[in-house]
Amino acid sequence: GNSVTQMEGPVTLSEEAFLTINCTYTATGYPSLFWYVQYPGEGLQLLLKATKADDKGSNKGFEATYRKETTSFHLEKGSVQVSDSAVYFCALSGRTSYDKVIFGPGTSLSVIP
Amino acid sequence: DTAVSQTPKYLVTQMGNDKSIKCEQNLGHDTMYWYKQDSKKFLKIMFSYNNKELIINETVPNRFSPKSPDKAHLNLHINSLELGDSAVYFCASSHGKTSAQETQYFGPGTRLLVL
Repeated sequence: GNSVTQMEGPVTLSEEAFLTINCTYTATGYPSLFWYVQYPGEGLQLLLKATKADDKGSNKGFEATYRKETTSFHLEKGSVQVSDSAVYFCALSGRTSYDKVIFGPGTSLSVIP
Repeated sequence: DTAVSQTPKYLVTQMGNDKSIKCEQNLGHDTMYWYKQDSKKFLKIMFSYNNKELIINETVPNRFSPKSPDKAHLNLHINSLELGDSAVYFCASSHGKTSAQETQYFGPGTRLLVL
């Protein structure tokens, strides 16, 4: 079945550091890929998504490229801020009627001043 | 304006009790979901409904029963609560008939603690 693997956290970075959170997936066919972010005490919200190979999703300085050859969708940001401290979830969904969204285990990020 | 709302935000109750969580979305979406998030932040789908029809029913104990009176509401009733039910429960919605490829919009969560 479909699955998502993320690097384990917690990740602690200093402000303005470069961020990479690795995500790889296993899926049949051509899934859509997502990054969701969960700020403390809140629900998840979409950060970015990509629906086909080589697509790049971007939002708020974050980027991720759908790499079919390596089955990866790594999240990057060039310069993190304290306000980026949150839990980040990689997710995929298939394209059939009964596919559900599969979430990775989440990676907790803390950015310190 | 709140897109996906849940009540209550916090729920503390005794083992063996029955409780309900309500969810409403004002986005005009067709599909709604319940997720359970455990203490390690792992998120697992429980149910999904499309326009009041059950689409996804994961291996959830039958003490959990969802009810969708209309496509804007999806409630979750839990009978005979157990300690292991303690978690954060999230409601979500999406536009299309299924979750395939669609962005999901999450509510703020209901923090359930069973004592």
